[in-house]
Amino acid sequence: DGGITQSPKYLFRKEGQNVTLSCEQNLNHDAMYWYRQDPGQGLRLIYYSQIVNDFQKGDIAEGYSVSREKKESFPLTVTSAQKNPTAFYLCASSGQGRYYEQYFGPGTRLTVT
Amino acid sequence: GQSLEQPSEVTAVEGAIVQINCTYQTSGFYGLSWYQQHDGGAPTFLSYNALDGLEETGRFSSFLSRSDSYGYLLLQELQMKDSASYFCAVNERDDKIIFGKGTRLHILP
Repeated sequence: DGGITQSPKYLFRKEGQNVTLSCEQNLNHDAMYWYRQDPGQGLRLIYYSQIVNDFQKGDIAEGYSVSREKKESFPLTVTSAQKNPTAFYLCASSGQGRYYEQYFGPGTRLTVT
Repeated sequence: GQSLEQPSEVTAVEGAIVQINCTYQTSGFYGLSWYQQHDGGAPTFLSYNALDGLEETGRFSSFLSRSDSYGYLLLQELQMKDSASYFCAVNERDDKIIFGKGTRLHILP
């Protein structure tokens, strides 16, 4: 079955630690995205990538970093510089030219204390 | 700046019809998408309108008026499983979309 996987589903970290969230897709999609969702809020774009070895900042990139070394993988690192990292993180992908139709992974709920 | 406005909550009765509106103000516009998200779950794509008019997919329909910067999602024959949050999203450029804050749909039996 094709789809997007994110791991882990729940993640707990202490303040001051960097943490990397995994995102893998086997849909052969070129574009991948990372969003952050806070309670009662919409999805805010952190970073996105249209091709391997290239990515662009979204609206709230500060305190986050990404890499795109393989088409299938787009890991997100939440650094200690991110002021309020506790949130629900969603990874998505889309086919070429179909940026409006995004497929989402199940999400990772990160709690930093 | 860019903005998308949709009601925060809507309540309807099982079996009825409900319309969720979305107005937008963006620097560019390629189209309007709609997504559904159940509590604790991932958003799923419902529909996309690039041109004016109504698109129908089963019980769900989506409408767009580019001249009014307005669209809506219409859900017919409401079922309890339709209880979820619904997001409109603008395709502002040809490589990303911007999501609204979502409308929480409550369905009463």
